[in-house]
Amino acid sequence: SAVISQKPSRDICQRGTSLTIQCQVDSQVTMMFWYRQQPGQSLTLIATANQGSEATYESGFVIDKFPISRPNLTFSTLTVSNMSPEDSSIYLCSVELGQGGNQPQHFGDGTRLSIL
Amino acid sequence: GQNIDQPTEMTATEGAIVQINCTYQTSGFNGLFWYQQHAGEAPTFLSYNVLDGLEEKGRFSSFLSRSKGYSYLLLKELQMKDSASYLCAVRDSNYQLIWGAGTKLIIKP
Repeated sequence: SAVISQKPSRDICQRGTSLTIQCQVDSQVTMMFWYRQQPGQSLTLIATANQGSEATYESGFVIDKFPISRPNLTFSTLTVSNMSPEDSSIYLCSVELGQGGNQPQHFGDGTRLSIL
Repeated sequence: GQNIDQPTEMTATEGAIVQINCTYQTSGFNGLFWYQQHAGEAPTFLSYNVLDGLEEKGRFSSFLSRSKGYSYLLLKELQMKDSASYLCAVRDSNYQLIWGAGTKLIIKP
């Protein structure tokens, strides 16, 4: 497995502001994923972050709202822009440590975000 | 569309056995994963099935029937620490992970 560090672990933010979440992995990985998990619900994929190319966003998520950076093979950031109370959620990054369909995703500890 | 169904909540007794079912309808199949998620924590990987049959890992086993689009996670000798949500996820033909809503398992003494 790998050590996946996510920062901040939690934050309380004002409406209209933006927050950048960082995800650091202790080994090089090709693909990193950003998820949202609202209370009592399952995981919703926001986007896949590939090093050296634009992130691939899922339906319902746009780059202007959730810009993503992937400057190298061990690091990615997700920004939640112009936040509203509906953005209150847990945001999780995950990685696949190898290639092949049998590789599970491993998750960081998550960022618990509350918007006032 | 793609769909994964799991019971929303189950209750079991400490020391007993519980089976959590997962049925799926996806565009293609490239494996099924089970994850455990304790409240307030990130999901952790439990098991992977890609061929029909049973995979055993200690107290936990996972079964797959591809023809039926069905899997279950079997937890034996339940402990209080097994109280958690259990997520079923299927990798489709595009190698995307499709996630179920999770089953909240409550263990009673």
